[in-house]
Amino acid sequence: QQQVRQSPQSLTVWEGETAILNCSYEDSTFDYFPWYWQFPRESPALLIAIRPVSNKKEDGRFTIFFNKREKKLSLHITDSQPGDSATYFCAASQGGRALIFGTGTTVSVSP
Amino acid sequence: EAAVTQSPRNKVAVTGGKVTLSCNQTNNHNNMYWYRQDTGHGLRLIHYSYGAGSTEKGDIPDGYKASRPSQENFSLILELATPSQTSVYFCASGDALGRAEQFFGPGTRLTVL
Repeated sequence: QQQVRQSPQSLTVWEGETAILNCSYEDSTFDYFPWYWQFPRESPALLIAIRPVSNKKEDGRFTIFFNKREKKLSLHITDSQPGDSATYFCAASQGGRALIFGTGTTVSVSP
Repeated sequence: EAAVTQSPRNKVAVTGGKVTLSCNQTNNHNNMYWYRQDTGHGLRLIHYSYGAGSTEKGDIPDGYKASRPSQENFSLILELATPSQTSVYFCASGDALGRAEQFFGPGTRLTVL
């Protein structure tokens, strides 16, 4: 059973639009939620992360919205740029244990 | 200079053969991880380690062994490779288990014929 789920599987937006990536999880004890991004033929790299003490984390054009009650979070990419085209992975961990990754959302930004 | 390196970068193996994937990190991190990445499955954890001499099973350990002989090195061993183990393998290192940034190596593309 997939403990971290992501949707949609793929997403295409126009340059300048806001892309919204969704993530949900099963285990209510998860206490750390990073998002990684991966460009074609490259390795994953940390983009932004949040802990349940906050319901929002912002870093430039990237914002995580977190809803602990519904066990959902989302990543918003505002003013999307072609350079944002990548696969985005939501992940989660609990009590310092290893990360569990979702299956990813592939974002394409068209100029 | 890259802090997490993997070798080989590409490998073709035969079914039933032994394959060793190597990972080296210069981050001085205690924790290291091996993942495989397949389309539709994201990154799945195979084995991980808290430090030299320790190895722990991840979510999909069957068919794999791991070895952590030193702080810097972490190997993934396929004793009897099967075609289902054809994948891209990533090694990563991190400071604190699950709560700190993980730094990934460049990946190894393994094909088992």
